[in-house]
Amino acid sequence: EDQVTQSPEALRLQEGESSSLNCSYTVSGLRGLFWYRQDPGKGPEFLFTLYSAGEEKEKERLKATLTKKESFLHITAPKPEDSATYLCAVLGDSNYQLIWGAGTKLIIKP
Amino acid sequence: DAGVIQSPRHEVTEMGQEVTLRCKPISGHDYLFWYRQTMMRGLELLIYFNNNVPIDDSGMPEDRFSAKMPNASFSTLKIQPSEPRDSAVYFCASSVGTGRSGNQPQHFGDGTRLSIL
Repeated sequence: EDQVTQSPEALRLQEGESSSLNCSYTVSGLRGLFWYRQDPGKGPEFLFTLYSAGEEKEKERLKATLTKKESFLHITAPKPEDSATYLCAVLGDSNYQLIWGAGTKLIIKP
Repeated sequence: DAGVIQSPRHEVTEMGQEVTLRCKPISGHDYLFWYRQTMMRGLELLIYFNNNVPIDDSGMPEDRFSAKMPNASFSTLKIQPSEPRDSAVYFCASSVGTGRSGNQPQHFGDGTRLSIL
């Protein structure tokens, strides 16, 4: 059964304190892994798509990496405006709909 | 460019009433998705359309839920009659060529927060 597990559930960091969020997945034939950011009262905002192990994508203070079993979202020197819930989703060969993780709530304190 | 537009943003109504949620996808996107999000269950796919045709409605919880897409720029999700357990945030998303024909990201609207009293 395809599934996605994100950890930790919540993460509190000081401004400037770098860290990583994890997305572990089980899927037959990965066709894409997606990272989204969701702010309170808003819809998920697309950040990155990763298609194959070894691939990396960067955007400002965020960098996403992918292996055959998991993806990491690295946050370097975060700022309070990076506070949000980060969602991971995968698309596999056996299912034509995204399988979503429960998200990691990130709080950056000034 | 305009993103996915949903209306209303908030809806409060009494149990038993009919509720209609509306969505305008991004122009040129041929896939449209309706999701429900709750604290307990996270994001759940309810139904999706390709070129205005419903492809998979297996996520629709009951016959009280129905969705239509009369044209490429408009879709509705209707609940009749509504119940308190339907209270949630409902999102619409659109994409280009996802599913079996591709793997492009979905773009979401800001949702409708529905409260059934």
